[in-house]
Amino acid sequence: GDSVTQMEGPVTLSEEAFLTINCTYTATGYPSLFWYVQYPGEGLQLLLKATKADDKGSNKGFEATYRKETTSFHLEKGSVQVSDSAVYFCALGSGTYKYIFGTGTRLKVLA
Amino acid sequence: NAGVTQTPKFRVLKTGQSMTLLCAQDMNHEYMYWYRQDPGMGLRLIHYSVGEGTTAKGEVPDGYNVSRLKKQNFLLGLESAAPSQTSVYFCASSWGQPQETQYFGPGTRLLVL
Repeated sequence: GDSVTQMEGPVTLSEEAFLTINCTYTATGYPSLFWYVQYPGEGLQLLLKATKADDKGSNKGFEATYRKETTSFHLEKGSVQVSDSAVYFCALGSGTYKYIFGTGTRLKVLA
Repeated sequence: NAGVTQTPKFRVLKTGQSMTLLCAQDMNHEYMYWYRQDPGMGLRLIHYSVGEGTTAKGEVPDGYNVSRLKKQNFLLGLESAAPSQTSVYFCASSWGQPQETQYFGPGTRLLVL
């Protein structure tokens, strides 16, 4: 069945460091891919998305490219800030209702 | 525009008690979802609805029931709470099929003793 695998955390970085959070997926058909972010005590909110192969989603300095050949959607940011500390979820959406989330990666950015 | 709201924010139940969690959205979305979030397991879909008057089972439906009598509301019921249902519950809504963005509520933290 469809699935999403993302790197386990926590990931701890210093401010202004480069961030990569890996996400790979398996799916039948042509899913849409998402990154959601969850700040402490809050619900998830969309960070970026891509709906077809080679699309690049971007928002707030974060980027991810939908790579069909490697079934990946890795999240990157060139220079993280303390305010980026949160849990990041990779997800795919396909079919009639199927929406599958990864287990989440906690990011901690130190000043 | 409040988006997705959930009531209550936090609740403690004793084993065997019942309760209803309320989700409301003001975006006129057709699809609504209930998830539970447990440490190390991400979000798991409990039930979902593709429109007013319709409901369907998700990945982990046992022990829960739902109703969607009005388009803007989606209720999640626990008839006889168990400690295994201790979790954080999130409601979400979207325009349509899962290619669309989901909008999440702030969550309900439930502790079953």
